[in-house]
Amino acid sequence: DAKTTQPPSMDCAEGRAANLPCNHSTISGNEYVYWYRQIHSQGPQYIIHGLKNNETNEMASLIITEDRKSSTLILPHATLRDTAVYYCIVRVGREYGNKLVFGAGTILRVKS
Amino acid sequence: NAGVMQNPRHLVRRRGQEARLRCSPMKGHSHVYWYRQLPEEGLKFMVYLQKENIIDESGMPKERFSAEFPKEGPSILRIQQVVRGDSAAYFCASSPPTADTQYFGPGTRLTVL
Repeated sequence: DAKTTQPPSMDCAEGRAANLPCNHSTISGNEYVYWYRQIHSQGPQYIIHGLKNNETNEMASLIITEDRKSSTLILPHATLRDTAVYYCIVRVGREYGNKLVFGAGTILRVKS
Repeated sequence: NAGVMQNPRHLVRRRGQEARLRCSPMKGHSHVYWYRQLPEEGLKFMVYLQKENIIDESGMPKERFSAEFPKEGPSILRIQQVVRGDSAAYFCASSPPTADTQYFGPGTRLTVL
C-alpha cells in the first residue's frame, strides 16, 4: 500500500507557482521520494526524486523537510499543460525491489 | 533517444481471445515493469523482469496472465482467454541497470467486448 498522503485536489493560477505537498511520516532512512505525474490518460511521466537534499531540475524543485517526514513539489510557473494527477511515491533502492506503489495522487488543475 | 515504445496503442478483443501487449524499453535499459490501470482506478504494479528472468511477479493475477522479456526482442505481456474485467490501460516502464528511475511508455488500452 502507498505510504504517502496527498491532498486529493488543488487549483493553481496559470503563471503562478504550484506547491504540491506530500506527507510520508513513516519514511525509512534508505527510502527515496519520487514524483510522477499523469496527464489525462497518458503514461506516467517522471518528474524528480530525492533522498534528503533539495533537488531541482528543468521541470520542478523538490523540497524535503529536515526530518524527511514531508516534502513539497514546486512547479515554478504553472501552465495549463501542467494540469495532471501528481503522484508522490516513497521507495527503497534497487536491492530491495523495484515496484512503484501509486496512491490516488493530487489532481492539479491549472486555470487561466 | 526514443522513449519506451508500446504496441499496439489500442487493442480490441472478444471474450475468450488472447491479447499480446509488447513493450520495447529505452535504449540501454535492461529492466522492464508492467503496470495496469483499471478504469477510474490507480496504477497497480504487475511484474518486474530483467532479460530472460522474472524478478517480481507479485502483482500478476494467478491465472491467464504471463510475461516474458527474451534475450532478443520486446517484452510481452500475454493475457489468455480475456474477460471484460481485463479491460484497462497497461503501461510498461523501463530502467537502466545502474539507476532506479522508471520511465513509462504511452500504454496499451485493451478493450474486451
